[in-house]
Amino acid sequence: DTAVSQTPKYLVTQMGNDKSIKCEQNLGHDTMYWYKQDSKKFLKIMFSYNNKELIINETVPNRFSPKSPDKAHLNLHINSLELGDSAVYFCASSQDPHYEQFFGPGTRLTVL
Amino acid sequence: AQTVTQSQPEMSVQEAETVTLSCTYDTSENNYYLFWYKQPPSRQMILVIRQEAYKQQNATENRFSVNFQKAAKSFSLKISDSQLGDTAMYFCAFMTRTGTASKLTFGTGTRLQVTL
Repeated sequence: DTAVSQTPKYLVTQMGNDKSIKCEQNLGHDTMYWYKQDSKKFLKIMFSYNNKELIINETVPNRFSPKSPDKAHLNLHINSLELGDSAVYFCASSQDPHYEQFFGPGTRLTVL
Repeated sequence: AQTVTQSQPEMSVQEAETVTLSCTYDTSENNYYLFWYKQPPSRQMILVIRQEAYKQQNATENRFSVNFQKAAKSFSLKISDSQLGDTAMYFCAFMTRTGTASKLTFGTGTRLQVTL
């Protein structure tokens, strides 16, 4: 199936730990994104990469470090997790900046 | 900075009826794109409909249509013949371009419940 996939779908961890969320798209898109959806369902962009190059960084704490090994993958690594990092994280991709973004299924991160 | 406002946190509609979700936005740009996304309980974000600001004609997609009023910066979504499967959060989104990437700015969402 052609899609944007994320692993894991659920992640429960303790404060202070380091964790990663992986994202892969097989749509052949050049641009990938990370969004955060908080407990009130508000969605906000975090990062965007185009062909492995960082394009958008929306003043996200530097504990969050995206890594793009190739244009089909954009992983999100989070250091020293805090309670406020609990959220659903969505990966997305698009072929052309003017066209729609296709979203992955989301990863629900719970920090205890 | 662009802002997107959805003034209806929750709405309810009976099956087979029509419902309109409102969205207003603020921007100084002239060329942009607007979207409605649906998020059912499965939490998957699904594109419902897309509108280019330079097009005067309102977009339609089967039972979904928009009323795009560029001067008023309004972009409402009309769902006709509502179905139980339409129950979801609906997000209005404004797209701006930054170099080779685009950024979606979302509204706070409207939770739509379709009832029997």
